[in-house]
Amino acid sequence: EVQLVESGGGLVRPGGSLRLSCAASGFTFSSYSMSWVRQAPGKGLEWLSYISSSSSSTIYYADSVKGRFTISRDNAKNSLYLQMNSLRDEDTAVYYCARGSSFDPWGQGTLVTVSS
Amino acid sequence: QSVLTQPPSASGTPGQRVTISCSGSSSNIGSNTVNWYQQLPGTAPKLLIYDDNQRPSGVPDRFSGSKSGTSASLAISGLQSEDEADYYCAAWDDSLNGRVFGGGTKLTVL
Repeated sequence: EVQLVESGGGLVRPGGSLRLSCAASGFTFSSYSMSWVRQAPGKGLEWLSYISSSSSSTIYYADSVKGRFTISRDNAKNSLYLQMNSLRDEDTAVYYCARGSSFDPWGQGTLVTVSS
Repeated sequence: QSVLTQPPSASGTPGQRVTISCSGSSSNIGSNTVNWYQQLPGTAPKLLIYDDNQRPSGVPDRFSGSKSGTSASLAISGLQSEDEADYYCAAWDDSLNGRVFGGGTKLTVL
């Protein structure tokens, strides 16, 4: 069964940092691009970042997180990461990882709360 | 303000056919394929339609997608109570070099 499991969310102060992980199983992780998407409470979906199957080749960020967030992957560990620095109140959201260009499937999400 | 424009709400009665629109521009829908996602209450989004009009295995053929120019549509026929959910369209945007989503449409089955 194809599965994505996010972890690493929690409560963090404004200006703080957090590292999210996404553990993949049930498919050849190294063959797929991956993305991070978030959803603020009661709001819609916002794409954050994309990384190609070969992590050094292509990476994209949404303007809202460029310079603060860093996407990476470890194909040997079947894992995707999102390093989040300089966190703001407006970064409070459920963060999802998703597979491939079609975003199929999605993980269950991990909640990040930025608050003093 | 989302790059892709969807109506915030839609509704229908059981058995009815409803459509949800998604309007974009030449840099996104006009030049790239559209995907649709269904998000049931309290759950993660699920791929419903990819490449404008393709259904992943397991998605009922009651769901269909279409595209014309810079607009796309999701149609749901034979509406069922379990279709009550939020629906999002998405496409790659060549100008932004990123994926863009519609604001989402909340479908209510009356």
